[in-house]
Amino acid sequence: DAKTTQPPSMDCAEGRAANLPCNHSTISGNEYVYWYRQIHSQGPQYIIHGLKNNETNEMASLIITEDRKSSTLILPHATLRDTAVYYCIVRAISGYSTLTFGKGTMLLVSP
Amino acid sequence: DADVTQTPRNRITKTGKRIMLECSQTKGHDRMYWYRQDPGLGLRLIYYSFDVKDINKGEISDGYSVSRQAQAKFSLSLESAIPNQTALYFCATSDGDRGSNQPQHFGDGTRLSIL
Repeated sequence: DAKTTQPPSMDCAEGRAANLPCNHSTISGNEYVYWYRQIHSQGPQYIIHGLKNNETNEMASLIITEDRKSSTLILPHATLRDTAVYYCIVRAISGYSTLTFGKGTMLLVSP
Repeated sequence: DADVTQTPRNRITKTGKRIMLECSQTKGHDRMYWYRQDPGLGLRLIYYSFDVKDINKGEISDGYSVSRQAQAKFSLSLESAIPNQTALYFCATSDGDRGSNQPQHFGDGTRLSIL
């Protein structure tokens, strides 16, 4: 699976949009981009995933660049409860490949 | 995810003891997984199962065994626990019937300490 690069930490003011970037320049055509978050020692929580089109659900939006080499997770109105470590994961869907969690981005939402 | 239940939530035990961690799910998913997480490290896959008769080793299966008793139940055993197996353990499920791109959903974890 392709490797991802994320900033180690980001800050966001409550109520503002949080834009979390992820670089996956070696992504191949059969690999999806997944986003998870983990709130202090709780189980990772699935947020969203996509292949090449932008995706939106009740939690967030995922914007994938046209060349698929990077993506951005957008939390439109961050709240204090969104403070967590956010993981961007690239995973092939052919056969079986594991979810490889890197170090992620620690997002701190402040009042 | 409330539909993925892990028991116990916390366990302290001694070196050499046999430990079983249990996972049950009400999501109706066919695929189940066991991961461990150590401080400062990402999650690492121990075992996974695509259905009741399918068991596969992950990247760190040594010292662990699993049993898929039913589609909804997947247990992880440490036959003879050792201190470096102290970690946070997570169970996850996914719906393989809807395709290999389906996300995994995690339980709240079991914090295991081996003295």
